[in-house]
Amino acid sequence: AQSVSQHNHHVILSEAASLELGCNYSYGGTVNLFWYVQYPGQHLQLLLKYFSGDPLVKGIKGFEAEFIKSKFSFNLRKPSVQWSDTAEYFCAVRGGDSWGKFQFGAGTQVVVTP
Amino acid sequence: DTGVSQDPRHKITKRGQNVTFRCDPISEHNRLYWYRQTLGQGPEFLTYFQNEAQLEKSRLLSDRFSAERPKGSFSTLEIQRTEQGDSAMYLCASSPDREDIQYFGAGTRLSVL
Repeated sequence: AQSVSQHNHHVILSEAASLELGCNYSYGGTVNLFWYVQYPGQHLQLLLKYFSGDPLVKGIKGFEAEFIKSKFSFNLRKPSVQWSDTAEYFCAVRGGDSWGKFQFGAGTQVVVTP
Repeated sequence: DTGVSQDPRHKITKRGQNVTFRCDPISEHNRLYWYRQTLGQGPEFLTYFQNEAQLEKSRLLSDRFSAERPKGSFSTLEIQRTEQGDSAMYLCASSPDREDIQYFGAGTRLSVL
């Protein structure tokens, strides 16, 4: 069955630390990959996406993600986090045997301490 | 453009009652999605519309769930004979055809007592 796995459920780090969140998927074939973020009290919103081309994609607020096809991974990174990056982060995949649906990972709650 | 609107924001109901939620997508967004999200989980796909056509429905969705988008604009999600396990946040998202990005609403939180 197709699945999306996020490696960590909770991450706590200090301001200025580097962040990397793992995401692996089990789809075959072409996929579109996304990271969504939900800040406290706000809607889910798109952080960045990968459809094709350069496997290193840049998103909003200094985030980037790297698509590694051989590892079925799409990891999210930020070199230096801020307190305002406290949020829940979701990896999502569209493709495989069903292009009508998006499948989300379980999410990673990130807490950045001052 | 006011974004995706969902109504109500909160719904408390007794087990066995029927509930209906409404979603108004961003205007001119042809695609509309419904998701369910429980605590500690990511959004779980329920169904997808392209204009008024319901193109995909999750196998996890029981017969008690039905969704419509009669004129290709707003959509409703109905749950019949609610059960305590239906308690969750129900999210709606819309997307334009040319852009594979979903815009989410604030959700409707359902509590079944």
